[in-house]
Amino acid sequence: GAVVSQHPSRVICKSGTSVKIECRSLDFQATTMFWYRQFPKKSLMLMATSNEGSKATYEQGVEKDKFLINHASLTLSTLTVTSAHPEDSSFYICSAPLRTGEYNEQFFGPGTRLTVL
Amino acid sequence: GESVGLHLPTLSVQEGDNSIINCAYSNSASDYFIWYKQESGKGPQFIIDIRSNMDKRQGQRVTVLLNKTVKHLSLQIAATQPGDSAVYFCAERNTGGFKTIFGAGTRLFVKA
Repeated sequence: GAVVSQHPSRVICKSGTSVKIECRSLDFQATTMFWYRQFPKKSLMLMATSNEGSKATYEQGVEKDKFLINHASLTLSTLTVTSAHPEDSSFYICSAPLRTGEYNEQFFGPGTRLTVL
Repeated sequence: GESVGLHLPTLSVQEGDNSIINCAYSNSASDYFIWYKQESGKGPQFIIDIRSNMDKRQGQRVTVLLNKTVKHLSLQIAATQPGDSAVYFCAERNTGGFKTIFGAGTRLFVKA
């Protein structure tokens, strides 16, 4: 089946620094990818839709300047958390869709655990 | 705004028993629903899906029921096993689109 990877799987950084998280579709191309964040014992919250070759579409309440998204190629989207603060600590998950049969199936990455000290 | 699911409840079942996990959705425009399983520290894993023109779909040991009248989904797991212990999320979207909205999830504990 289709595989989506994320790097790094875990990152710890100091407050005020920026952190880049990569999402790759390993064996298929994705013109669209999605970024979610998940707090402990909570559901996945959609942050933004990453569009290859154009600007990302952000969900209401998500700061565009805080969470920079770049979809540079058909297999790579990056999320940069700028000037990270402890409240940005979360589990970040990306997904990429692939049409399988009659459905658009979503394939999720393994997630990136961000801890901001 | 759009929302799917309830506050995170916990379901505890005995190994071998059947499990039923419920979910409510509010967006009547959604026509495609998915159940995901998420183990600790991992991304969601697809379990089963159903389109709005169906009311039941069966997979291996899992069944999804859809009641559009009351906007309710359920996931039934037969002969629950310890490996089924995880958080289960329902999710919704339109079949023509990719944007997936998740519900609150249910934590399933399977007692050996």
